[in-house]
Amino acid sequence: DAGITQSPRHKVTETGTPVTLRCHQTENHRYMYWYRQDPGHGLRLIHYSYGVKDTDKGEVSDGYSVSRSKTEDFLLTLESATSSQTSVYFCAISGVEDGETQYFGPGTRLLVL
Amino acid sequence: ELKVEQNPLFLSMQEGKNYTIYCNYSTTSDRLYWYRQDPGKSLESLFVLLSNGAVKQEGRLMASLDTKARLSTLHITAAVHDLSATYFCAVEDDKIIFGKGTRLHILP
Repeated sequence: DAGITQSPRHKVTETGTPVTLRCHQTENHRYMYWYRQDPGHGLRLIHYSYGVKDTDKGEVSDGYSVSRSKTEDFLLTLESATSSQTSVYFCAISGVEDGETQYFGPGTRLLVL
Repeated sequence: ELKVEQNPLFLSMQEGKNYTIYCNYSTTSDRLYWYRQDPGKSLESLFVLLSNGAVKQEGRLMASLDTKARLSTLHITAAVHDLSATYFCAVEDDKIIFGKGTRLHILP
């Protein structure tokens, strides 16, 4: 298995509070991604990173910010959590080879009350 | 805007039967990926298809790509219960977009 961990694995929080999810990799891969998975929507890309301090928006970036200060860590922040952000969040990594597949972390289940 | 459509979204089938899952997409991409997800688990990479006419096979699963038709198929041969899972295709354009997934239930 690719060395990807996510923390926390489960979180319950209240509307309006900030939340930060962490993705950590030991593979030294250049690209890192954050997705959310919701029933009926498949996986939707929130933000991705193509290097340290280099990030870009995905399909559903509103209400989320990211940071990547080190190759191995990619943080996703919900600035003010809302109930619509209740979801399962997956981090993924990939290398620089053309068409290289993504490797996914175990996921974080977030419930916003 | 890239759109990726899978069908069917749900499939229940008997062991031993053959079936095909379809993935249609709206751009001229030649980068297509198939993943498997078991309930409550993460996604596992199955196939990477990188050119028109590409075909990959692993066990009872075979994936193919027709970039002119903007279509990929995942064919299941003589299904077994262990193949029950949700299967996603994903297409890479400037970003990677996933289909909604096909939930496959194989009855023993």
